[in-house]
Amino acid sequence: SQQGEEDPQALSIQEGENATMNCSYKTSINNLQWYRQNSGRGLVHLILIRSNEREKHSGRLRVTLDTSKKSSSLLITASRAADTASYFCATRSLIYNQGGKLIFGQGTELSVKP
Amino acid sequence: AAGVIQSPRHLIKEKRETATLKCYPIPRHDTVYWYQQGPGQDPQFLISFYEKMQSDKGSIPDRFSAQQFSDYHSELNMSSLELGDSALYFCASSPPGGAEKQYFGPGTRLTVT
Repeated sequence: SQQGEEDPQALSIQEGENATMNCSYKTSINNLQWYRQNSGRGLVHLILIRSNEREKHSGRLRVTLDTSKKSSSLLITASRAADTASYFCATRSLIYNQGGKLIFGQGTELSVKP
Repeated sequence: AAGVIQSPRHLIKEKRETATLKCYPIPRHDTVYWYQQGPGQDPQFLISFYEKMQSDKGSIPDRFSAQQFSDYHSELNMSSLELGDSALYFCASSPPGGAEKQYFGPGTRLTVT
């Protein structure tokens, strides 16, 4: 991966439990975004956190960002079977001449068992 | 609301053939990005266009070329296809003003046999 590591690479939990996924990155960033992908389908944007933010919430999602450690975590609370998917973090570079391209992490495959 | 449209959704080609993938951004979006996602891999940036000019280039093979047209749609042309080109190809667009969020299309699944 161009970006770094996501861990865990796979996570299996029961419905109702919380799921936490972590992402590390290498460069200075403008923002970090989390995307969801159902088995080989399109990427769905979940949440964006800017480099000057430390925590953000959206529904059952909570994202944290630690720029000193170059890491982020995504917490999904009260998981549902429908949350089963792959989750990717993606960063947008702070360096202007790198444009707006996103650099993705390797992804965490989440399986939520009913 | 209109979304990013990609065509075709599925494409099967043989080695050494050529393929053209099309992307129609959300209306009034001026920037288009192309990403390639191999099986079990994360998406990798290929190339982007802003106002019909190439704005950034990633790990795109020389066998691939792309352009953005006057109506802002974009095409990714792939020649001398190899088995390793089999992947999901995503197009994303973003509106004017350096928007932070990219809107992804459903992808084109290319299979090279």
